[in-house]
Amino acid sequence: GIQVEQSPPDLILQEGANSTLRCNFSDSVNNLQWFHQNPWGQLINLFYIPSGTKQNGRLSATTVATERYSLLYISSSQTTDSGVYFCAVELTFGNEKLTFGTGTRLTIIP
Amino acid sequence: EPEVTQTPSHQVTQMGQEVILRCVPISNHLYFYWYRQILGQKVEFLVSFYNNEISEKSEIFDDQFSVERPDGSNFTLKIRSTKLEDSAMYFCASTLRGQGPEAFFGQGTRLTVV
Repeated sequence: GIQVEQSPPDLILQEGANSTLRCNFSDSVNNLQWFHQNPWGQLINLFYIPSGTKQNGRLSATTVATERYSLLYISSSQTTDSGVYFCAVELTFGNEKLTFGTGTRLTIIP
Repeated sequence: EPEVTQTPSHQVTQMGQEVILRCVPISNHLYFYWYRQILGQKVEFLVSFYNNEISEKSEIFDDQFSVERPDGSNFTLKIRSTKLEDSAMYFCASTLRGQGPEAFFGQGTRLTVV
């Protein structure tokens, strides 16, 4: 099946720092989503980004589908950004389900 | 903004008991899903449901699991005889159609089997 790998697995930053999270996937996809899992376990939709670049406030994401990776940028980190970030992909030629990556645990220190 | 809602948010049950997890997908969505996340691990697909039948299921989704859309709004996951290893966060999701559109997730039900 498709492999979805995220890096780094853990990231600890001071408040105000910027970060880049990476998601690599092994096959062609027609859906890619980024989620933030908060300390209560809820999955918060960040971006639906099968290709191109999107921005939402301090967050932005870029997917280069032809090279099979996506990047999530967080600028001016705040403590509320802490949590686990997952990317999830859906195969272009497959059933309609998401395969999640292993996640990046981000900790923002005040 | 429309959202997927799940109840209960947390359920504790004794091993061997049956549990039913409930979800109300977004009203005009046609595809429904259950995913599971064991503590500290990644989110895993369990089952997809379309047109009142299962369209795909994972190897996790064995005979103790079943899904149902009992009416026009609810989507349920039943675990017949719970085991300790069923303890996990269960997420419901829905999409407007298959293959491609954004999936919307509920807030999850944390199931604890004791």
